[in-house]
Amino acid sequence: DIQMTQSPSTLSAFIGDTVTITCRASQSISNYLAWYQHKPGKAPKLLIYKASNLESGVPSRFSGSGSGTAFTLTISSLQPDDFATYYCQQYKSNSQTFGQGTKVEIK
Amino acid sequence: EVQLVESGGGLVQPGGSLRLSCAASGFTFSRYWMTWVRQAPGKGLEWVANIKQDGSEKYYVDSVKGRFTISRDNAKNSLYLQMHNLRVEDTAVYYCASVRGFSGYDPLDYWGQGSLVTVSS
Repeated sequence: DIQMTQSPSTLSAFIGDTVTITCRASQSISNYLAWYQHKPGKAPKLLIYKASNLESGVPSRFSGSGSGTAFTLTISSLQPDDFATYYCQQYKSNSQTFGQGTKVEIK
Repeated sequence: EVQLVESGGGLVQPGGSLRLSCAASGFTFSRYWMTWVRQAPGKGLEWVANIKQDGSEKYYVDSVKGRFTISRDNAKNSLYLQMHNLRVEDTAVYYCASVRGFSGYDPLDYWGQGSLVTVSS
């Protein structure tokens, strides 16, 4: 199975900061990678697909990059609504896997 | 408007069984792969299982193989997860989600609000 490793596990930042979350796959997944935002009590929300494609309706301060085994999610000018947990997910294989998550907290 | 509504969660003893349902509306259910994802208390998201449009292909995370069965009824626009021999570590909120596109190799674009399953004596 393909393992996904995210870092950091927790990230503290100020409003207005730019933050970057990293996700690494245990083998090449080309660009079959998505990023989700998850808030407590809510359904996860798709932000980025195919590693760098912004989902419709998602603010342009979110961006994704990478291919193969290394990927990043960048949030520019962090807003109050952005404090949440973020997950990467590979869908290269039928047995899809998520990273362990990165909680973005207010500093 | 796309809606996915889970039901069937609750409290069950270890070794017991439970069947989750997910009612879909607002899209052509039969055209898409469907998935179950769970989140244990204080833990991250875990992909559990997915099923092809016609039910001919099913895939599971290793920890539930032989105990859980994913199925669907396209006539009823419904997805199911039959869970047997439940363990304490199966305690989680279970989400159903639709897979974008038709190949199965796509992200999860619509999610339900989740159904809580608690396994405890």
